[in-house]
Amino acid sequence: GESVGLHLPTLSVQEGDNSIINCAYSNSASDYFIWYKQESGKGPQFIIDIRSNMDKRQGQRVTVLLNKTVKHLSLQIAATQPGDSAVYFCAENRQQGYSTLTFGKGTMLLVSP
Amino acid sequence: DTAVSQTPKYLVTQMGNDKSIKCEQNLGHDTMYWYKQDSKKFLKIMFSYNNKELIINETVPNRFSPKSPDKAHLNLHINSLELGDSAVYFCASSQGQGQGEAFFGQGTRLTVV
Repeated sequence: GESVGLHLPTLSVQEGDNSIINCAYSNSASDYFIWYKQESGKGPQFIIDIRSNMDKRQGQRVTVLLNKTVKHLSLQIAATQPGDSAVYFCAENRQQGYSTLTFGKGTMLLVSP
Repeated sequence: DTAVSQTPKYLVTQMGNDKSIKCEQNLGHDTMYWYKQDSKKFLKIMFSYNNKELIINETVPNRFSPKSPDKAHLNLHINSLELGDSAVYFCASSQGQGQGEAFFGQGTRLTVV
């Protein structure tokens, strides 16, 4: 299940399940979005991106959905594996005179064997 | 070959000291960044340089001074370190500003005692 508390929101799933991680963004002018995966002790790693002229993009085992009406992004991971356990961040290219990637709060994904 | 490398990986120092973190990228990117990740995993941009010129300076104390000797390097110097500076600092680079994925280094865990 999903929980929000003082710590990072955490999603716990069983190996083989599909996972859905959600993200709300704030700037309606943002035109580019990226999902990053951060494993313990490492820097964030690119997973998949999507531009604002699309509402869905698929990669290998991952799908990103973009709903601009409600400013919502989701990352779907199919057949989740223990190696998918990490913190996942969405980032938006926020236009504010200059372009910069602004990160949302992360979600920890825990995959049990 | 490491794309974005930063040194040191760990840094423990006393309050009041001055320290530097170095970053180099071999991707030929034009833009480099420094991000700070706090204990709650929140990633916040500090600085962005494009072709050695400062383009983003978020509300960071002026004890933090980035220096870009060339577009492949962006170092971070911190004066008069405070306990609240303890965090993980990530260097990143991208081609263009916020329009493509940013590649991250492995992070420098700074602990001020």
